[in-house]
Amino acid sequence: DAGVIQSPRHEVTEMGQEVTLRCKPISGHDYLFWYRQTMMRGLELLIYFNNNVPIDDSGMPEDRFSAKMPNASFSTLKIQPSEPRDSAVYFCASSPTSGRGGGANYNEQFFGPGTRLTVL
Amino acid sequence: AQSVTQLGSHVSVSEGALVLLRCNYSSSVPPYLFWYVQYPNQGLQLLLKYTSAATLVKGINGFEAEFKKSETSFHLTKPSAHMSDAAEYFCAVSSPGGYQKVTFGTGTKLQVIP
Repeated sequence: DAGVIQSPRHEVTEMGQEVTLRCKPISGHDYLFWYRQTMMRGLELLIYFNNNVPIDDSGMPEDRFSAKMPNASFSTLKIQPSEPRDSAVYFCASSPTSGRGGGANYNEQFFGPGTRLTVL
Repeated sequence: AQSVTQLGSHVSVSEGALVLLRCNYSSSVPPYLFWYVQYPNQGLQLLLKYTSAATLVKGINGFEAEFKKSETSFHLTKPSAHMSDAAEYFCAVSSPGGYQKVTFGTGTKLQVIP
């Protein structure tokens, strides 16, 4: 099975431009997470969805960031306008729901390869 | 509230030596605990997980971790380091009962010296 797919893998843009990062979760997973990783802050949870509905966006740094999940197989993270401090690696992860097939959900997350964003 | 503390942001070991990466957790309920590994330019992947069954958990690539409630620890070990083990390792904690937020540690970079 394919894992979590992210595109693009690398993005270089200029300050002020709009950036859109894309994610396809593992089929059947009901939770989707967006993380940001930097040297200074480590791994930060930005937002997560359950069944395509945003549940917790308290980690979204500011209004310039927005995320959508129009269907179970696709999500986007948009930054508009982008700033140099947004430069980071952005990860998407997905997780299966609890109770499926009678089994417990241990909250294990499956990560994509990440998008390295550089804002000049 | 739950948290994990990873002691040592960088650890160096010689090839063939014991690997010990330390993780202490804080949780108000019996936790789920995880170790993830991140190789350069890749996403995190699960190494092993503790979910209240056996306290000694074996994972991939010869790694194992022991849950010690009395010490609130979940240290990761491997008897003999290999060059391919060089990576960053993250400890994480969650709670049972439906979906619960996973809290990641700050990571420990493992360097293996030939």
